[in-house]
Amino acid sequence: DGGITQSPKYLFRKEGQNVTLSCEQNLNHDAMYWYRQDPGQGLRLIYYSQIVNDFQKGDIAEGYSVSREKKESFPLTVTSAQKNPTAFYLCASRATGGTNEKLFFGSGTQLSVL
Amino acid sequence: EDKVVQSPLSLVVHEGDTVTLNCSYEVTNFRSLLWYKQEKKAPTFLFMLTSSGIEKKSGRLSSILDKKELFSILNITATQTGDSAIYLCAVNAGGTSYGKLTFGQGTILTVHP
Repeated sequence: DGGITQSPKYLFRKEGQNVTLSCEQNLNHDAMYWYRQDPGQGLRLIYYSQIVNDFQKGDIAEGYSVSREKKESFPLTVTSAQKNPTAFYLCASRATGGTNEKLFFGSGTQLSVL
Repeated sequence: EDKVVQSPLSLVVHEGDTVTLNCSYEVTNFRSLLWYKQEKKAPTFLFMLTSSGIEKKSGRLSSILDKKELFSILNITATQTGDSAIYLCAVNAGGTSYGKLTFGQGTILTVHP
């Protein structure tokens, strides 16, 4: 089945530690996105990528890093510089060009700080 | 900076009521506006709007866009407890921000039996 897979579902981070959230899609989509969601709130854009080997900062990129070495994969690293990392992280993808502007979402990763 | 503002932030109604959710935006090079419903984890797609004045409808849900006044509304008639969710509005930008999708804060809808 085509879709977006995020792993792990739950992740715990110790202070000073970097952690990496995985996002893989087999939808052949060019564009991929990372959003952060705090309890009871909307989604805030961290990073997005329109094409392999290229990505742009979103509205809250500080303390995060990404890579886009393969079309299928867009991992997010939460660095020790992110002082308040506890949140629900959603990865999404979409096709580009034409009228394909709908985002497809993964099931998310809940990150907590120990 | 692109901005999407939803109102109200939360709403509590009883089954059978009709609700109207609002989404206003300030985006350079607007391309489209999307509505999503989030019940547990992954948001699910409801509507995509690109043209003013054309209503999109799916069962008890409908939505319309006003590109002159820069807002959209999502209507839900005869609400049911299964409509309880966070409703998210997102705007897709073009130009130098092509590909950037900005979400609003969401509206938390609670429907009581």
